[in-house]
Amino acid sequence: DIQMTQSPSSLSASVGDRVTITCRASQSISIYVNWYQQKPGKAPNVLIYGTSTLQSRVPSRFSGSGSGTDFTLTISSLQTEDFATYYCQQSYSLPFTFGQGTRLEIK
Amino acid sequence: QVQLQESGPGLVKPSETLSLTCGVSGGSISSDHWWYWVRQPPGKGLEWIGGIHRTGTTNYNPSLKSRVTISIDKSKNHFSLKLNSVTAADTAVYYCTRSPNLIVTRPLDCWGQGTLVIVSS
Repeated sequence: DIQMTQSPSSLSASVGDRVTITCRASQSISIYVNWYQQKPGKAPNVLIYGTSTLQSRVPSRFSGSGSGTDFTLTISSLQTEDFATYYCQQSYSLPFTFGQGTRLEIK
Repeated sequence: QVQLQESGPGLVKPSETLSLTCGVSGGSISSDHWWYWVRQPPGKGLEWIGGIHRTGTTNYNPSLKSRVTISIDKSKNHFSLKLNSVTAADTAVYYCTRSPNLIVTRPLDCWGQGTLVIVSS
């Protein structure tokens, strides 16, 4: 299985901050990374797919980049509603696997 | 807009079979999507269980493959999960979800609300 390692595991930030979350794959996965946001008690929602394509209706402050083994999710200016847990996921090969999550908290 | 809804028992005894169904509304399960199950133990991360296409082709996580069956019922517009010989480690919120077959990176773009299944005697 391909292991996806996210960092940091948790992060404290303030409204307006620029935040970057990193995901590293245990082998090259081209651009086959998707990013999800999950709020407590809710299902995940896809933010970005194929490394950098913004899902419909997702605010443009979210962006993704990378290729091969190293990927990043960036939130350019944090809003209150962005405090949540974020997961990367590889869809390069089965079984699909997720990172362990990054919990983004209000400072 | 397509909506997914999980249904099934919230409590299953150890060694028995967990059975869940995902109803699809606002769209057809015969559309060109993969239909998946993902689970999340309380306070933990996400685990992909497996999925099925309208053609009946299935993919399973090898870690669960010997215990999992996913099936599709086009007449009822739903798909199902069976996980047998459950233990406490199978306690989790179970989500049904889907990905468009035409997007090669297979984002999971629609999710059910999730259903908590507890394995306990």
